[in-house]
Amino acid sequence: DVKVTQSSRYLVKRTGEKVFLECVQDMDHENMFWYRQDPGLGLRLIYFSYDVKMKEKGDIPEGYSVSREKKERFSLILESASTNQTSMYLCASSLEIKGNSPLHFGNGTRLTVT
Amino acid sequence: SQQGEEDPQALSIQEGENATMNCSYKTSINNLQWYRQNSGRGLVHLILIRSNEREKHSGRLRVTLDTSKKSSSLLITASRAADTASYFCASTGNQFYFGTGTSLTVIP
Repeated sequence: DVKVTQSSRYLVKRTGEKVFLECVQDMDHENMFWYRQDPGLGLRLIYFSYDVKMKEKGDIPEGYSVSREKKERFSLILESASTNQTSMYLCASSLEIKGNSPLHFGNGTRLTVT
Repeated sequence: SQQGEEDPQALSIQEGENATMNCSYKTSINNLQWYRQNSGRGLVHLILIRSNEREKHSGRLRVTLDTSKKSSSLLITASRAADTASYFCASTGNQFYFGTGTSLTVIP
């Protein structure tokens, strides 16, 4: 079974802090994704990566950046956290691009920015 | 927005009854996938139906797809309390586009 591990289940950060959310997958998947999930808005794609050192913007990249230095690790960075970035963040990986295989999700990181 | 929508937003049924959730999407698709999310957890993949398929079964799950109407439905038969969760559809083209989810409560 694919395992996607997010480093923290809960995080509390202050406005203006730089925040790192880490995600590791163990199935050698090329593709990795970061979503945020908010009530009534569903899942929205922040960034995705289809190869090491490659990244593509999703629907809501503003205020975020990502890093993929190794195939198994995809990091989401909040350069200067703001209260409107309080959310559930979900990392996922997949074998194939364009939805031809399932997404495998981590358990999520619930981030609160105060 | 490219996101789809699930209907209803919330559904409450008795154990043993069937639960039907509907999904509408906006773009042409490669396939459509359904996911389940238990409270506070990540999503788990349930079933994938390709754009050239009309119906697919997996255990107690039955999924239909109507590409002319850009819609899909998920039927869970003989529901159990453990089926209580949120269910999301995801249409896939260049990306995964998730709906807003249906919250299902199965009452024992």
